Amino acid sequence: AQSVTQPDIHITVSEGASLELRCNYSYGATPYLFWYVQSPGQGLQLLLKYFSGDTLVQGIKGFEAEFKRSQSSFNLRKPSVHWSDAAEYFCAVGANSGAGSYQLTFGKGTKLSVIP
Amino acid sequence: DTAVSQTPKYLVTQMGNDKSIKCEQNLGHDTMYWYKQDSKKFLKIMFSYNNKELIINETVPNRFSPKSPDKAHLNLHINSLELGDSAVYFCASSRDTSYEQYFGPGTRLTVT
Repeated sequence: AQSVTQPDIHITVSEGASLELRCNYSYGATPYLFWYVQSPGQGLQLLLKYFSGDTLVQGIKGFEAEFKRSQSSFNLRKPSVHWSDAAEYFCAVGANSGAGSYQLTFGKGTKLSVIP
Repeated sequence: DTAVSQTPKYLVTQMGNDKSIKCEQNLGHDTMYWYKQDSKKFLKIMFSYNNKELIINETVPNRFSPKSPDKAHLNLHINSLELGDSAVYFCASSRDTSYEQYFGPGTRLTVT
């Protein structure tokens, strides 16, 4: 069965500083990887996804992530954090459950706080 | 232009009651899902429906039953509510050829 580990429960950065959120996955086949963001009291919004091809993927809001198969990692990065980026970030791996259904397994999330 | 909507947004009820949460998507997607997010923010899939067929049932108690009247709706019925059912429940949808899931805003259920 697939699993996702986000080692950092809470990260605090200063506004304007760079950011890297870590994600490690376990999956027997080619992984389909996602980063979602959840602002307080809100639903989940897809930031970016990796299916195949270029291992560096660009997403919305200036985020990018790099897939490293050798390290089973899919870390999220942003060169300059804005106060509005404060939220909970979830990494997920997708698996085909059959008959048109695709199961997402989420990590436990990393809470990002931004100091003005 | 809400893509995935849920009602109600908040639900407070007593133990033993029966309640329902509604979910609708206007994206034309074929598959819909229910997730539970516990107090530690951990998200876990409960069910998915594709063309009115239950695909996943992740060992949730049979007090929970998904009902899909049509492709655009997937409602969640919960019988005999327990304190441990308190959580945020998210609905999501996807095309049947895509892993990309779109989430609703969530329903915060509080059982007292």
